[in-house]
Amino acid sequence: GAGVSQSPSNKVTEKGKDVELRCDPISGHTALYWYRQSLGQGLEFLIYFQGNSAPDKSGLPSDRFSAERTGGSVSTLTIQRTQQEDSAVYLCASSAAPRAEQYFGPGTRLTVT
Amino acid sequence: QQQVKQSPQSLIVQKGGISIINCAYENTAFDYFPWYQQFPGKGPALLIAIRPDVSEKKEGRFTISFNKSAKQFSLHIMDSQPGDSATYFCAASLGNQFYFGTGTSLTVIP
Repeated sequence: GAGVSQSPSNKVTEKGKDVELRCDPISGHTALYWYRQSLGQGLEFLIYFQGNSAPDKSGLPSDRFSAERTGGSVSTLTIQRTQQEDSAVYLCASSAAPRAEQYFGPGTRLTVT
Repeated sequence: QQQVKQSPQSLIVQKGGISIINCAYENTAFDYFPWYQQFPGKGPALLIAIRPDVSEKKEGRFTISFNKSAKQFSLHIMDSQPGDSATYFCAASLGNQFYFGTGTSLTVIP
């Protein structure tokens, strides 16, 4: 079946602009994670959604970052007033249940110029 | 503070050799320790995982060794193959939070 998909695959934006990154999880997966992967770094947890529960936003690095998940499926990560340090690969993962195996999408490579 | 420390940063192994990647963690409450494999341009994929109630788990050529008292765990790849060339990440989780190491770039030379 279809895996996790993310769009766009690459995004180049100017400093100060807002960007939206999209994640389509595997159908039926209730849990959804966003991570950030910077060059030479591991994956940094950003936010976690589980069903209709309030999301765990504890990993968001600043109030310029926000995410929503509509209808328990598609999720959008929004970065406002982008900065050069936001340049990274943003990965989305979904799982069938809390703490079950995470399936990752291919990521969106964000470059802020 | 880095919750999970991973070494080495890069590793070169001859085909047929053993690749060993090490991780150390701080929080004794972590209760799930997965390893992920990532190829260029792809997202990480779960390779093998262990819980702290066992000291070793083997799946094919891949083995996790877990030392609870030392707060360390390692991935061993036996009979390494060029197709194993990838970046490997260890992780530790508590609840819904996953903490990843910084990754090891493995190159297996034919």
